[in-house]
Amino acid sequence: DTEVTQTPKHLVMGMTNKKSLKCEQHMGHRAMYWYKQKAKKPPELMFVYSYEKLSINESVPSRFSPECPNSSLLNLHLHALQPEDSALYLCASSQDGGGSYNEQFFGPGTRLTVL
Amino acid sequence: GQNIDQPTEMTATEGAIVQINCTYQTSGFNGLFWYQQHAGEAPTFLSYNVLDGLEEKGRFSSFLSRSKGYSYLLLKELQMKDSASYLCAVTDSNYQLIWGAGTKLIIKP
Repeated sequence: DTEVTQTPKHLVMGMTNKKSLKCEQHMGHRAMYWYKQKAKKPPELMFVYSYEKLSINESVPSRFSPECPNSSLLNLHLHALQPEDSALYLCASSQDGGGSYNEQFFGPGTRLTVL
Repeated sequence: GQNIDQPTEMTATEGAIVQINCTYQTSGFNGLFWYQQHAGEAPTFLSYNVLDGLEEKGRFSSFLSRSKGYSYLLLKELQMKDSASYLCAVTDSNYQLIWGAGTKLIIKP
């Protein structure tokens, strides 16, 4: 299984809602990533988990809260988002969080719209 | 600071060859990746270079010169499905992936 899955594919939420994005991989990878991508821009790193510990938090607002329940799962909890948070949210995984060859495998993304 | 430069957009003809350049200035270098991304989809891995030289994989080849901070992706026998954005990304000294802004490639019949 060389796939990273993400649910839901699309999400529309209001600014007062609480929702979660989910990501799963069964490749035995020990590093998992959340990216935010706006149209015509490169992916923007948000969080990195390495061996189930948060290793990087790129100054992301607290309305985004990551969680790594186990080595295969990664969640992103959303609360009180703003319209400018509307974007494609990508999950990725790699063998580990260090080392030069850290090819990242991406999930299909969740298209988030905040009204 | 960290900087990766790629052309914003390129146009090529079906069946032709196109070269997409990438120059980088990063704090350290631990490898360079090329990813392809179709509109609205996730990036997919194309190639990885860590040593100088050319890596060939089917219709796609990638070249690296570490002394010049330069790479290119060469696409041969272009097909309409090659219309996509091509992202150059460098692993820096902290093993973090630094992304370029991407090059949108438009293929015309």
